[in-house]
Amino acid sequence: DIQMTQSPSTLSASIGDRVTITCRASQSVSQWLAWYQQKPGKAPKLLIYKASTLEDGVPSRFSGSGSGTEFTFTISSLQPDDFATYYCQQYNIFRTFGQGTKVEIK
Amino acid sequence: DVQLVESGGGLVQPGGSLRLSCAASGFTFSDYSMNWVRQAPGKEPEWVAYMSARLNTITYADSVRGRFTISRDNDRQSLYLQMTSLRVEDTAVYYCARGEGFPDSWGQGTLVTVSS
Repeated sequence: DIQMTQSPSTLSASIGDRVTITCRASQSVSQWLAWYQQKPGKAPKLLIYKASTLEDGVPSRFSGSGSGTEFTFTISSLQPDDFATYYCQQYNIFRTFGQGTKVEIK
Repeated sequence: DVQLVESGGGLVQPGGSLRLSCAASGFTFSDYSMNWVRQAPGKEPEWVAYMSARLNTITYADSVRGRFTISRDNDRQSLYLQMTSLRVEDTAVYYCARGEGFPDSWGQGTLVTVSS
């Protein structure tokens, strides 16, 4: 099984901050990586797929990069609606999620 | 608008069975691969099962293979998950999710609690 490891697990930030989350895969997943946002009591929401492609309707302050085993997710200027938990997910071999990164208000 | 509505969750004893349903609307169901994804309290989501649009590919997570069965009825625009030999560790919110690889639409989820 491919293991996905995110860091940090929790991140405290202020409105307007640039936020970066890292996701590492235990083996190469090429570019087959997605990022989701999840708020309490809600289903995950797709933000990015194929490592860097923004889903329709997702604000451009969200971006993704990387390939192989190292990936980065960035929010360029944190907004009030962005406080949530973010997950990476590989879909190269079956599908596995990272353990999540909770973005909290500082 | 795309809508996925799960039902069938509830409280069941260990060793019991449950059948989940997902009613789809707002898109051509038969054109899309579908998935069941679950999320235990405070944990990350976990893929459970996948079924391709043309019914020729089914995949299960190791944790449920042999106990869970995914199926679909394209005429009824519905997805199902038959769960047997349920274990305490199967307790989770179960989501129906549309798409290949990276689902772009999810239902609101249905809670399955396995407890004596």
